[in-house]
Amino acid sequence: AQSVTQPDIHITVSEGASLELRCNYSYGATPYLFWYVQSPGQGLQLLLKYFSGDTLVQGIKGFEAEFKRSQSSFNLRKPSVHWSDAAEYFCAVGAKAGTALIFGKGTTLSVSS
Amino acid sequence: GAGVSQSPSNKVTEKGKDVELRCDPISGHTALYWYRQSLGQGLEFLIYFQGNSAPDKSGLPSDRFSAERTGGSVSTLTIQRTQQEDSAVYLCASSYYTGRIHNEQFFGPGTRLTVL
Repeated sequence: AQSVTQPDIHITVSEGASLELRCNYSYGATPYLFWYVQSPGQGLQLLLKYFSGDTLVQGIKGFEAEFKRSQSSFNLRKPSVHWSDAAEYFCAVGAKAGTALIFGKGTTLSVSS
Repeated sequence: GAGVSQSPSNKVTEKGKDVELRCDPISGHTALYWYRQSLGQGLEFLIYFQGNSAPDKSGLPSDRFSAERTGGSVSTLTIQRTQQEDSAVYLCASSYYTGRIHNEQFFGPGTRLTVL
């Protein structure tokens, strides 16, 4: 069965510092991988996705993520965090087309000045 | 263009009452999903509709939960005899279905359900 683990429940990063949010998945084949962001009172917005090909994917708002098959990981990174990045971040895995996504429990990012 | 819309945005009900939550997907999206987001629990899949196929109900937590999708568009999630543990944010998402790749799911703003 598929599963997603986000080991960090809450992370605080200084504005301007780099960020890495961890995501580990369990799936027998190459999965579809996603990162979503949820700002307070907002719906989920897709940051980026990985289907195949280049293992480093670029997303919106300056985010990127790297797929590492050997580690079953899909960590999200940003070189310089802005206060507006404070939100909850969800990693998700999907199997074949047309199936529901399995989400991690999320990581809450706080940004300190 | 218009995104996924959900109504009501907030619903407060008494234990034992039935509630209906509505989702309007993006026009042209044939796939529609319902998820539940409980505090500290992430998103939990409830049910999935694709075109005229039988829905995937594997995520529904009990027979008090049901959903329908009329005309391949609007969907209604019904919770009968609500319990306090049903309190959560119910999210709807829609996507294109091409049959080959996992297309992006677009999420609505959610309905926050509180059962007193």
